[in-house]
Amino acid sequence: GAGVSQTPSNKVTEKGKYVELRCDPISGHTALYWYRQSLGQGPEFLIYFQGTGAADDSGLPNDRFFAVRPEGSVSTLKIQRTERGDSAVYLCASSLRLGVNNEQFFGPGTRLTVL
Amino acid sequence: AQSVTQLGSHVSVSEGALVLLRCNYSSSVPPYLFWYVQYPNQGLQLLLKYTSAATLVKGINGFEAEFKKSETSFHLTKPSAHMSDAAEYFCAVSDDRGSTLGRLYFGRGTQLTVWP
Repeated sequence: GAGVSQTPSNKVTEKGKYVELRCDPISGHTALYWYRQSLGQGPEFLIYFQGTGAADDSGLPNDRFFAVRPEGSVSTLKIQRTERGDSAVYLCASSLRLGVNNEQFFGPGTRLTVL
Repeated sequence: AQSVTQLGSHVSVSEGALVLLRCNYSSSVPPYLFWYVQYPNQGLQLLLKYTSAATLVKGINGFEAEFKKSETSFHLTKPSAHMSDAAEYFCAVSDDRGSTLGRLYFGRGTQLTVWP
């Protein structure tokens, strides 16, 4: 079956612009996670959803970052007034349910470059 | 608070040699531990996980890891490296309770190179 997909695979934008990154989870997975992977670092948690609601958004770095999952499936990560420091690979993962016994399946990521 | 330290950002081995990738964790509660592999231009893939059952965990592709509470370690090993094992490996810790349910905390990763 289809895995987690993320679009676009690459996004280049200018400082100050607004961007949206999309994640399509595996069908039927209720939990969805966003991570950010900066160059030379491991993935860093941003936010996760159980269904439509953000169960934990404490990893979002500031109020320029926002994520939604209006119908409990597709999620969009939104970044306002982008800064060069936002450049990273943004990873999405989904799992059947929350909890460590539910494997997180990762998408290939969106590489964001802010010029 | 939970964290993971991976010792060695780069490891190089010859094909057929032992692979040892080191991971130490810090956790205020009994941890759940994971190893993920990332091939170029692909998503992270789960290799194996420890969730408080057997301390020696076997994963895919011949990898295994041993949870040692006294050493707070969860090192990844493979007896004989193959060229296809070349990738980046991430150790991660999580817990299964409270507000951080399901969150993964990753190490910085170890790039494994396998020489022919």
